[in-house]
Amino acid sequence: DVKVTQSSRYLVKRTGEKVFLECVQDMDHENMFWYRQDPGLGLRLIYFSYDVKMKEKGDIPEGYSVSREKKERFSLILESASTNQTSMYLCASSPPGYQPQHFGDGTRLSIL
Amino acid sequence: ILNVEQSPQSLHVQEGDSTNFTCSFPSSNFYALHWYRWETAKSPEALFVMTLNGDEKKKGQISATLNTKEGYSYLYIKGSQPEDSATYLCAPEIQGAQKLVFGQGTRLTINP
Repeated sequence: DVKVTQSSRYLVKRTGEKVFLECVQDMDHENMFWYRQDPGLGLRLIYFSYDVKMKEKGDIPEGYSVSREKKERFSLILESASTNQTSMYLCASSPPGYQPQHFGDGTRLSIL
Repeated sequence: ILNVEQSPQSLHVQEGDSTNFTCSFPSSNFYALHWYRWETAKSPEALFVMTLNGDEKKKGQISATLNTKEGYSYLYIKGSQPEDSATYLCAPEIQGAQKLVFGQGTRLTINP
């Protein structure tokens, strides 16, 4: 079974802090994704990556950056956390082609 | 941002009843349609990925159909069980490259 592991289930940080959310997958998938889930809204794509050192902006990239130094790891970075970034963050991975995405358990991030 | 509509937003049915719900999406530049099931406190789980107009997929008591010309997909659950309670998400891949646009989901509750 594909395993997508997010480093924390719950995280509390302060406004202005630099925050790192880590995601690791064990199935050698090329594609990796970061989403956020907010009440009343669907999952929204923040950034995605097709390969090591490659990244593409999703629909809501403002205030975020990403890093993919190794194929199995995709990090989401909040450069200077703000309260409107309080949300559930989900990481996913997939092979190329019309294949399903495999999701991690999510990180519920609170910015105080 | 492209508009993906799921209806109804929530649904309560009795155990043993059959049910269905709808996903509507822009029909232009269509690549694929994904369905996911998201149970509380778990990660989203892939159900189907469909690409061709007229596609029908089945997994146990759950099935889905796809109409790419008019831009909709139906998900059917036959003989609902309490373990079918979840939020069902659809996500068309409209811009290619596995860039999904998620609907808000249909929250299904099965009453024993």
